[in-house]
Amino acid sequence: DADVTQTPRNRITKTGKRIMLECSQTKGHDRMYWYRQDPGLGLRLIYYSFDVKDINKGEISDGYSVSRQAQAKFSLSLESAIPNQTALYFCATSATEDSYNEQFFGPGTRLTVL
Amino acid sequence: AQSVTQPDIHITVSEGASLELRCNYSYGATPYLFWYVQSPGQGLQLLLKYFSGDTLVQGIKGFEAEFKRSQSSFNLRKPSVHWSDAAEYFCAVGQYNNNDMRFGAGTRLTVKP
Repeated sequence: DADVTQTPRNRITKTGKRIMLECSQTKGHDRMYWYRQDPGLGLRLIYYSFDVKDINKGEISDGYSVSRQAQAKFSLSLESAIPNQTALYFCATSATEDSYNEQFFGPGTRLTVL
Repeated sequence: AQSVTQPDIHITVSEGASLELRCNYSYGATPYLFWYVQSPGQGLQLLLKYFSGDTLVQGIKGFEAEFKRSQSSFNLRKPSVHWSDAAEYFCAVGQYNNNDMRFGAGTRLTVKP
């Protein structure tokens, strides 16, 4: 079984709709991240969480919100989706005791906003 | 903040040929450097990482990378490319005890038969 899972894997939605992307992990890591990937831009950090009570904005948090429901679960929400949020979204985890912050990635969610 | 540049957006090589993917970083202190591979429809898989010590690091799938501080580079190499190596490759730089990892824009590798 995969250590980091994301649901759904693909989603098509319309402008203005609320969307939630979910991430679960079985690695036992405290730290979780949400990235978006756009062609030619690589991965950019949206939000990260160091534990259940700690949520932080990343490089591009506008238009997004997150919820850390448990150590193993970290959800990303788009309150009112817009077309320029069409992208590939990745969840990642890392271990608090790993000072070098090696991150482990889920398979990604491809989101299309029409 | 640190940053990463991958100068080549797309590279095509013939199967069996050697490969070098370039990565340049900008960071004042000793960086922590990573190469990830993303196969079509897949997440990112770590190929190798450099934190300190020997500047030539070996990774999975026959890849290696060399850290050159004087050139601010961490280029990825493979002596003989296989068709299954076709993928997108990302270089990333991080800091000690800091979540702020920055990724390059990626290099897409095509392998010709």
